[in-house]
Amino acid sequence: GAGVSQSPSNKVTEKGKDVELRCDPISGHTALYWYRQSLGQGLEFLIYFQGNSAPDKSGLPSDRFSAERTGGSVSTLTIQRTQQEDSAVYLCASSPQSLTGWYSGNTIYFGEGSWLTVV
Amino acid sequence: KQEVTQIPAALSVPEGENLVLNCSFTDSAIYNLQWFRQDPGKGLTSLLLIQSSQREQTSGRLNASLDKSSGRSTLYIAASQPGDSATYLCAVEGNDMRFGAGTRLTVKP
Repeated sequence: GAGVSQSPSNKVTEKGKDVELRCDPISGHTALYWYRQSLGQGLEFLIYFQGNSAPDKSGLPSDRFSAERTGGSVSTLTIQRTQQEDSAVYLCASSPQSLTGWYSGNTIYFGEGSWLTVV
Repeated sequence: KQEVTQIPAALSVPEGENLVLNCSFTDSAIYNLQWFRQDPGKGLTSLLLIQSSQREQTSGRLNASLDKSSGRSTLYIAASQPGDSATYLCAVEGNDMRFGAGTRLTVKP
């Protein structure tokens, strides 16, 4: 498809297990974001990738969270030793690189999210 | 650190009413502001994007304004319809993209 694709769409896991969430951005988009949205809450920034630059990891809530982006395309968000408070929808988004800088008003496109439930 | 606040958190109106959603942000050094719509179980859809040099953008029944100096934006929805029921989020783009918590809108038939 032409949009941002995320998998799995739903994941139920036991507390303490590791999970991997995958994001396929729109082809050609160099910027990729991960956000988390807990029930009734706003979007929480997690991590941002832009081209070959070092990612902005300032939003990762703990060292149990990590993300990679291979070949400047697909990204994987890994949560180790999951806790119940990790239950949320994890949204991935991508955006084309602007000509004047990393951000210049390009529309950001979101996937439909991966719904994670930790039991 | 940029903080984005949306008021009200929830709004319920009868069909046909005009309404305004508010967004405020603490750091005026932004590139742009976007309004998104989020439907239950779905991702976000961009509605309007206002560049920092612009004052407003219009799309159909939607009009978004931006006052960067005061750190405020409004989303005006004219002649609301039940299909407008969704959560509306604003996001500001500076060094990264920060979102408000959203306004949950319900339009009753």
